[in-house]
Amino acid sequence: DGGITQSPKYLFRKEGQNVTLSCEQNLNHDAMYWYRQDPGQGLRLIYYSQIVNDFQKGDIAEGYSVSREKKESFPLTVTSAQKNPTAFYLCASRWTTNTGELFFGEGSRLTVL
Amino acid sequence: AQSVTQLDSHVSVSEGTPVLLRCNYSSSYSPSLFWYVQHPNKGLQLLLKYTSAATLVKGINGFEAEFKKSETSFHLTKPSAHMSDAAEYFCVVSDDEKAAGNKLTFGGGTRVLVKP
Repeated sequence: DGGITQSPKYLFRKEGQNVTLSCEQNLNHDAMYWYRQDPGQGLRLIYYSQIVNDFQKGDIAEGYSVSREKKESFPLTVTSAQKNPTAFYLCASRWTTNTGELFFGEGSRLTVL
Repeated sequence: AQSVTQLDSHVSVSEGTPVLLRCNYSSSYSPSLFWYVQHPNKGLQLLLKYTSAATLVKGINGFEAEFKKSETSFHLTKPSAHMSDAAEYFCVVSDDEKAAGNKLTFGGGTRVLVKP
């Protein structure tokens, strides 16, 4: 089945540690996105990539890093520079057309202990 | 620049009664508009989308939305709410990809409570 797979679903981190969230898609989509969602709030864009080996900062990129070495993969690293990393992280992908909808993974919940 | 405003942060309905979720947008170009639903601790699922074809769009699970350019609105409705409709709903606008850098803008979300 085609879709987006995020892992792990739950992750606990100690302060000062970097963690990497995985996102893989087999939909052959060009564009991939990372969003952060906090309780009672909407989605905020962290990074997005429209093509392999290229990505752009979103609205809240500070403290995060990404790579896009393969079309199907877009991992997100939450670094120790991110002051408040506890959140629900969503990965999505779509065709790079105005009409293409986003397809979402099931999310990864990161908790800093 | 594009923006989306969901006019109600919370909506409470009784099972079997109609549901109305309001969304207004602003866009410099011809937008595409989407409604998504999110159940707790899950990803977002597409309910329906408008892409400059028919202004009345039918989606999954009995939902539909009407694009009204003159009112810059894209309200979501369902004739009869079901308990399984309790979730959060997001209205999303996608502007001309060159101008917006292929980004989409999300509304703040509307949480729907369905009472038995």
